[in-house]
Amino acid sequence: GIQVEQSPPDLILQEGANSTLRCNFSDSVNNLQWFHQNPWGQLINLFYIPSGTKQNGRLSATTVATERYSLLYISSSQTTDSGVYFCAGFTGGGNKLTFGTGTQLKVEL
Amino acid sequence: DTEVTQTPKHLVMGMTNKKSLKCEQHMGHRAMYWYKQKAKKPPELMFVYSYEKLSINESVPSRFSPECPNSSLLNLHLHALQPEDSALYLCASSQALRQGAETSEQYFGPGTRLTVT
Repeated sequence: GIQVEQSPPDLILQEGANSTLRCNFSDSVNNLQWFHQNPWGQLINLFYIPSGTKQNGRLSATTVATERYSLLYISSSQTTDSGVYFCAGFTGGGNKLTFGTGTQLKVEL
Repeated sequence: DTEVTQTPKHLVMGMTNKKSLKCEQHMGHRAMYWYKQKAKKPPELMFVYSYEKLSINESVPSRFSPECPNSSLLNLHLHALQPEDSALYLCASSQALRQGAETSEQYFGPGTRLTVT
């Protein structure tokens, strides 16, 4: 079946710490997106990353499509990084996006 | 500009009411989407419009009725909803695809938080 799995489900960090979030996806899923959902519900695009590595400030992502996983790196975390991080993959040969269950991140002072 | 707007931000409605959610984008995207998100769950796809035509309906109950009046606007008409329909409703848009084409990054609006009483 179509599967997008994320780990860990919950993560608590001290401000300034680094973290790695993982997304595993099944054969029928491709072309991942990473999102940050803030406490008000807004889904913010972080990366569209079918393969390879991208960086944007303190965030970077790597997708190894042949091994069916993607990683999101957060460096020097800040309290504003708190929220839920979702990876989502496209299925069905079109633009149908299937979300993972998310990683709830809390960054404390 | 990668902005998708949604109105209203919050909506409280009774089970006998009729209301509409609105979504707008000016990125020239020709695919638009409605998602439903329950608390502590991921968003789930409801409908997809491509070139103003409904292309995917994920077996959504008929009390939800989508409409795409033009390439920039997407509505979701609500009628006779149930309390379990209370959720965050998210709109998204992307470049439309031709059959067999690659996927296209989706951009989301801020959502409408709906409460059905």
